[in-house]
Amino acid sequence: DQQVKQNSPSLSVQEGRISILNCDYTNSMFDYFLWYKKYPAEGPTFLISISSIKDKNEDGRFTVFLNKSAKHLSLHIVPSQPGDSAVYFCAASGGRQGAQKLVFGQGTRLTINP
Amino acid sequence: DAGVIQSPRHEVTEMGQEVTLRCKPISGHDYLFWYRQTMMRGLELLIYFNNNVPIDDSGMPEDRFSAKMPNASFSTLKIQPSEPRDSAVYFCASSTLAGGLNEQFFGPGTRLTVL
Repeated sequence: DQQVKQNSPSLSVQEGRISILNCDYTNSMFDYFLWYKKYPAEGPTFLISISSIKDKNEDGRFTVFLNKSAKHLSLHIVPSQPGDSAVYFCAASGGRQGAQKLVFGQGTRLTINP
Repeated sequence: DAGVIQSPRHEVTEMGQEVTLRCKPISGHDYLFWYRQTMMRGLELLIYFNNNVPIDDSGMPEDRFSAKMPNASFSTLKIQPSEPRDSAVYFCASSTLAGGLNEQFFGPGTRLTVL
């Protein structure tokens, strides 16, 4: 049972344009969402998060949007840069499983083309 | 801060052998997590500890897998006996609830290959 889904395994975007990565979840008890970025041969690194009491959180070029009614969140990167090429994971926590347990999506490989 | 440290970075072993993966969490973090990443299943949580006590091991695939945390600065994940289907990248992560954030810090991972 995949509680967090990233339906696009890969995405290719031109440098300077906007990258939009999507994530859907099924558990309505999730109340905290995170995006992680992963380079090859490295562990995932935290990028940005959002609490369910908000619908938007912005940090520099990165913005996360949360639509609770649709159980959908997205990560926007503007403008996209070559160094953004990586695998992006969304994750969720909360509800019966507790605040510390994260459930991850399958990941989306983002490629920024010069 | 050195971050989360894992060893070895790569492990190649033969089916039936015992494998031990090691992790040193970030100092001061009171939560430690073990994850496994595969192409088929993505990032799965295997087990996590709070203050050295296992809290949830529901992700441990079977009895061949065991994890310990003898003190706040060290944890092991052991597979005995290992099987080819255990081949994956194993990540350790640590965190703390201080500050109200739920951010987990990951180590570089151990790539395990079981022949």
